[in-house]
Amino acid sequence: AQSVTQLGSHVSVSEGALVLLRCNYSSSVPPYLFWYVQYPNQGLQLLLKYTSAATLVKGINGFEAEFKKSETSFHLTKPSAHMSDAAEYFCAVSDRGGNYQLIWGAGTKLIIKP
Amino acid sequence: DTAVSQTPKYLVTQMGNDKSIKCEQNLGHDTMYWYKQDSKKFLKIMFSYNNKELIINETVPNRFSPKSPDKAHLNLHINSLELGDSAVYFCASSQGDGETQYFGPGTRLLVL
Repeated sequence: AQSVTQLGSHVSVSEGALVLLRCNYSSSVPPYLFWYVQYPNQGLQLLLKYTSAATLVKGINGFEAEFKKSETSFHLTKPSAHMSDAAEYFCAVSDRGGNYQLIWGAGTKLIIKP
Repeated sequence: DTAVSQTPKYLVTQMGNDKSIKCEQNLGHDTMYWYKQDSKKFLKIMFSYNNKELIINETVPNRFSPKSPDKAHLNLHINSLELGDSAVYFCASSQGDGETQYFGPGTRLLVL
């Protein structure tokens, strides 16, 4: 069965510092992988998506993620954090096996310190 | 022009009442979903419809009943509301299996 693990329910970084949010997945087939962001009191918004093309995926707002098959990881990074990045971040995986379902991680709350 | 819309945005009601949440998408997608997000932000899939046909029906009490009158709409009716139903309910849509899901703004349900 597929699963997604996000390490750290809360991550705190200083403004201007590197952001690193970790996501590990398990899947028996090459997956599609997603990062979504949820700002307070809003719905989820796609940040970026991996679909077996380039392993380094660039998303919106300066975020990017690298697919590493050997490590079954899809960590999200941003070189320099901004106060507006404070939000909840979700990693999700799909095996495109016909069940139309995304398996979601538990989420990581990103806190930006001034 | 809102892609996925939900009404109402907030819903405060008494235990035992029946309520409905409506969802509409104008993206031309074939698949629509209902999620429940609890106070710890955990996302749980409840239902998924593809071309008006039920695809996913997770372990959800029978008090929850989805209805899809057409591909652009997926409504959620909840009977006999309980305190534990308090959560944020999100509607989403996608073009198909494994495709990006687009989320509505959520309906914040509070059962008193």
